[in-house]
Formats: sequence, structure tokens, C-alpha cells
Amino acid sequence: KNEVEQSPQNLTAQEGEFITINCSYSVGISALHWLQQHPGGGIVSLFMLSSGKKKHGRLIATINIQEKHSSLHITASHPRDSAVYICAPRKGAQKLVFGQGTRLTINP
Amino acid sequence: ETGVTQTPRHLVMGMTNKKSLKCEQHLGHNAMYWYKQSAKKPLELMFVYSLEERVENNSVPSRFSPECPNSSHLFLHLHTLQPEDSALYLCASSQSQGSTEAFFGQGTRLTVV
Repeated sequence: KNEVEQSPQNLTAQEGEFITINCSYSVGISALHWLQQHPGGGIVSLFMLSSGKKKHGRLIATINIQEKHSSLHITASHPRDSAVYICAPRKGAQKLVFGQGTRLTINP
Repeated sequence: ETGVTQTPRHLVMGMTNKKSLKCEQHLGHNAMYWYKQSAKKPLELMFVYSLEERVENNSVPSRFSPECPNSSHLFLHLHTLQPEDSALYLCASSQSQGSTEAFFGQGTRLTVV
């Protein structure tokens, strides 16, 4: 069983819809990252959180340490949000483990 | 633009070739990383350098040879690769090995023929 499980693996939605991507992990962590990977391959860090909730523009990330679960939400989704979203819990001091990613496609 | 630059962006090489991937950052970071991303698989950490010393080598075959001549540059030397080595190779850097935030480059898409 993978240490990190993301769902769904693929998600297609219409512009404007509210999007939720889930991440469950089985290891003890010090923090969790959400990353965005665009079709060209480059990765951008969206959030790093260790408790509660963070918001940046239309993006919201939440984490429940007790339940070992995190969610990434996108409000008022837009075609430019189309990307692969990767959950990456941090084990211990420095080791990141990665989910397989969720491929999001937003249609106009 | 994350401040981490990788070249080349695309590389096609034969199994008998020798090539090198380059990563450069001028963010003042002391830790640099090589990751491999194969199709439909999670990112895999290959190597970690901290203050120009290799501190982690995750059972990577010897046909991949990293080099960190200074804290701003990281290379991945490739020789006698196999077709299954075709993947996206990503470089990242962070302030220190224990820093929580890493900055990724755009990646080099490698195809071994």
C-alpha cells in the first residue's frame, strides 16, 4: 500500500465548479505540501501546512493531523487551473513522500 | 519562474551516449535535490546534496552520477542508460536540508532510445 493516496486520480469539471482533491497518508509527518505541476513539467509549491487551514486566492488547503487527511479546494475553477496536483507529506525533518497526483482538467 | 533553472529542457540520447543534466539556482540555497518522475508513478527522490556534500543516495544505479561543484550548481551525469530510464528529471533546492519549502525547476524530459 502506498504511503500517500490521492483521490480522485483524474478529475474533469466545468469552469466555475468547486473542486476538491483529497490526500490520505499513513506515515507520521511534520508538515504536508500541496504542489502544482503544469503540462510542461515544472512544479510550483502551493501550500505547506502542519495544522488547520490555509487560503491563497481561490485555493484552500486543510489538514486533519489526527485523521491523517488533507484536502485541496479550488473555488470558481478556471481552465488555467488545469494541472496535476500532488500531495507531499514530509516525514521527519526533511524527507518528502509523494502522492501519484490528481490530474485536473477544467473545461471552459 | 521559481529561481531554479534546468537545462536542457528536452534530451534524446542513445543507450551508449554520455550526457549531463544541469541545474542552477541563485537563491542562496544550500540544499539541492534530483528527483525522477516516470509516467504514472510518484516522484522519486534520487540524490540530496547539502553544502555540496551528498547526504542521500536512494539506491540509484551507478549509470546516474551526480556532481555538485558548488552550492549553486548541480549536475546529473548519464551514461549507458536504459529505455526505462526515460522520465522527467526534476531538480529542486531549499534553504537547508531541513527546510520545509523546496523550489523546483521545470525539469528535463529525457528519452532514451
